[in-house]
Amino acid sequence: KAGVTQTPRYLIKTRGQQVTLSCSPISGHRSVSWYQQTPGQGLQFLFEYFSETQRNKGNFPGRFSGRQFSNSRSEMNVSTLELGDSALYLCASSLDQGTYEQYFGPGTRLTVT
Amino acid sequence: DAKTTQPPSMDCAEGRAANLPCNHSTISGNEYVYWYRQIHSQGPQYIIHGLKNNETNEMASLIITEDRKSSTLILPHATLRDTAVYYCIVRVAYNSGGSNYKLTFGKGTLLTVNP
Repeated sequence: KAGVTQTPRYLIKTRGQQVTLSCSPISGHRSVSWYQQTPGQGLQFLFEYFSETQRNKGNFPGRFSGRQFSNSRSEMNVSTLELGDSALYLCASSLDQGTYEQYFGPGTRLTVT
Repeated sequence: DAKTTQPPSMDCAEGRAANLPCNHSTISGNEYVYWYRQIHSQGPQYIIHGLKNNETNEMASLIITEDRKSSTLILPHATLRDTAVYYCIVRVAYNSGGSNYKLTFGKGTLLTVNP
């Protein structure tokens, strides 16, 4: 069974631009969570989607948003990029809402200049 | 979710057992203990989880003390590929209609397996 895939793997953007990252969960998984990882803050939860609805949200500004499609694929969007948004963005899928095991993708490395 | 405390780093010889401790003294009755690891430049990988009984799977064993205030992850025969940051996470059990089931990662323990 194919794992979680994320595209693109690397991205360079300029301050003020916006970016969209994509995540395809493991086949049959219906829940997708997003995390941001930086050297200073570590791994931080952004949000979770299940059945095309945001079920849980971390402490990030409204510039960070996401959505989930009917096939469980998910996208996250960051508008008005800031230098501090440079990070590894990780997507994790799980079978159902609130299940114990989450399977992470390789991440998208975003660099904001 | 309860706070966890882990040593920042540990070393282990290849082929020996690696015992990674985690303190979660404020854990409540409905909170599970999870372990994940992250190998450099990869996404985190689920290892094991438990509530109060000891658990074992093909990757590791999880020993939870009777008072549940601490736990130990055991890798029985560590290999060089087990070098990674190991995260101990405490998370409330999922309740229908609830929302407190996000994973909160701390700093973790960097385990270095030496040849």
